[in-house]
Amino acid sequence: EVQLVESGGGLVQPGGSLRLSCAASGFTFTNYWMSWVRQAPGRKLEWVANINTDEGEGDFVDSLRGRFTISRDNAKSSVYLQMNSLRVEDTAVYYCARNGPADGDYYDYWGQGTLVTVSS
Amino acid sequence: EIVLTQSPGTLSLSPGERATLSCRASQSIRRSYLAWYQQKPGQAPRLLIYVASRRATGIPDRFSGSGSGTDFTLTISRLEPEDFAVYYCQQYDSSPWTFGQGTKVEIK
Repeated sequence: EVQLVESGGGLVQPGGSLRLSCAASGFTFTNYWMSWVRQAPGRKLEWVANINTDEGEGDFVDSLRGRFTISRDNAKSSVYLQMNSLRVEDTAVYYCARNGPADGDYYDYWGQGTLVTVSS
Repeated sequence: EIVLTQSPGTLSLSPGERATLSCRASQSIRRSYLAWYQQKPGQAPRLLIYVASRRATGIPDRFSGSGSGTDFTLTISRLEPEDFAVYYCQQYDSSPWTFGQGTKVEIK
């Protein structure tokens, strides 16, 4: 059974940092791109970032480039989102998602999400 | 950036009725890289359809997707009680990948 379990969310002050983790199991992790998608309270889903299979390149939505970093550790079947210089508008549930096996960035499995609250 | 506009915002229907949800793109999604998700309160989204018309694993055949170019449709042939939820479309043809604002299907 595919499982994605996020952790690391919480309350942080504006300007602070958080590192989210996502532990994957139930599939061959090295075969799949992984992504982060967020959802602000009462709002629509927003793609944040993805990373290829090789612990290498990641891509971001332009508005977050430079503040957020995505990485993965294939030995630990985990993907991470490092978030710096956090703003109030970054408050959201952050979902880890597995990219589907067919071409492209659609998401066939999702974690339960971790809530990040940026507030003073 | 491709903007996706979903309509209607809310659809009020009874169990057993047919639901037709629309997703319109601001520019052509050339490869039909369009997905649909279902989200219930407090839960993560669930993939229903990808590449506009392919059902994901385990999705009942009452869910179907169609369309091309800028106009896409999700149809639920006969609503079951568990189908009342919010539905999002997503394009993954052109980065940044974007989602629609959602259509809520509620019980009439």
